[in-house]
Amino acid sequence: DAKTTQPTSMDCAEGRAANLPCNHSTISGNEYVYWYRQIHSQGPQYIIHGLKNNETNEMASLIITEDRKSSTLILPHATLRDTAVYYCIVRVVGETSGSRLTFGEGTQLTVNP
Amino acid sequence: DTGVSQDPRHKITKRGQNVTFRCDPISEHNRLYWYRQTLGQGPEFLTYFQNEAQLEKSRLLSDRFSAERPKGSFSTLEIQRTEQGDSAMYLCASSLNAGEKLFFGSGTQLSVL
Repeated sequence: DAKTTQPTSMDCAEGRAANLPCNHSTISGNEYVYWYRQIHSQGPQYIIHGLKNNETNEMASLIITEDRKSSTLILPHATLRDTAVYYCIVRVVGETSGSRLTFGEGTQLTVNP
Repeated sequence: DTGVSQDPRHKITKRGQNVTFRCDPISEHNRLYWYRQTLGQGPEFLTYFQNEAQLEKSRLLSDRFSAERPKGSFSTLEIQRTEQGDSAMYLCASSLNAGEKLFFGSGTQLSVL
């Protein structure tokens, strides 16, 4: 799986949008971009994933650049409960592919009141 | 859907003792994964099962570690002759099938004294 690079930490004001960047310059054509987050003392939680088109769900939006070498996770209206470590992961998806998620160190997002 | 359940939540043991953790995946999820996480790091893959078959083991999984998933339902992870370096959070996750998103439990925090 391709390696990802994320900032170590970010701050965001409550109610504002949080934009978390991720670089994955060595991503392959069959690798998806996944985002998980981990709130303190809990297991990681799936947020969203995409291949090349932008994606949106009830939690967040994922913007993937046209060359697929980077992406941004957007939390449109951050709340204090969004304070967590956010992991960007690239992963091959398919029946014959590996199943592991390879986590980096992620970005610690702190939402301030 | 009651989520992935892990037991116990916390375990304190003395060096040299054996410990066993249990994971109950989401019902009907065919894949079950074990990860280990130390402070400040992202989760590291240990092993995964497709039903009752253990399909992949990380090099992190030394001979002292063994995992089972009898009947393809719950799984156990046993650590024999524990060492202080085994102190970590042990996370279990499950997914419906290959390539599907993973659902994580809250983990078992192991402290080896």
